[in-house]
Amino acid sequence: AQKITQTQPGMFVQEKEAVTLDCTYDTSDQSYGLFWYKQPSSGEMIFLIYQGSYDEQNATEGRYSLNFQKARKSANLVISASQLGDSAMYFCAMRGDPWGAQKLVFGQGTRLTINP
Amino acid sequence: DSGVTQTPKHLITATGQRVTLRCSPRSGDLSVYWYQQSLDQGLQFLIQYYNGEERAKGNILERFSAQQFPDLHSELNLSSLELGDSALYFCASSVGAPSFDYNEQFFGPGTRLTVL
Repeated sequence: AQKITQTQPGMFVQEKEAVTLDCTYDTSDQSYGLFWYKQPSSGEMIFLIYQGSYDEQNATEGRYSLNFQKARKSANLVISASQLGDSAMYFCAMRGDPWGAQKLVFGQGTRLTINP
Repeated sequence: DSGVTQTPKHLITATGQRVTLRCSPRSGDLSVYWYQQSLDQGLQFLIQYYNGEERAKGNILERFSAQQFPDLHSELNLSSLELGDSALYFCASSVGAPSFDYNEQFFGPGTRLTVL
């Protein structure tokens, strides 16, 4: 079974600061994928970034980067130069064996608030 | 805009009733996933269809059923509704074929169901 743990229910950050959202995972699969989604107050789920378990380099997408530490089973999201529009819920998710169920397993989320 | 459409956006109904939620995937995507987001359970996978066939089942109640039609749109049927079924129901789509490259799932805007 797969499990995602996000230990920060809420975070408050000053605008323009960098922020790290924590995510740890547990799986017995050798191959898996890790995802981050953003959910603004409007409710939609927005895909941010993906990291494969065999990727040697950390994934980056604009201001988002994923700090992947496989031995520690962590996949933290780093947002550089935070903006007011980054205020939202952030979910870490994983998918396991690509030949099996392709469902996403989500963590409980972290509510990020950017202060001006 | 993810390209995934869901209707209706909001649904208010009474206990014991039956409702149907509809989802149209992104053009070219063969897989459709249904997720439920509630305050107490978080985001949970319900069921996946791939090219018309059920592929994986999650925590879906027996009162709930789904199908994917030849044009690839999907419907989630919820019957004998209870207060606890009130939630945000997401549909997501992806290319879906088993692959070592994890295709991200694109989420629709969700249907907010309120059971009174």
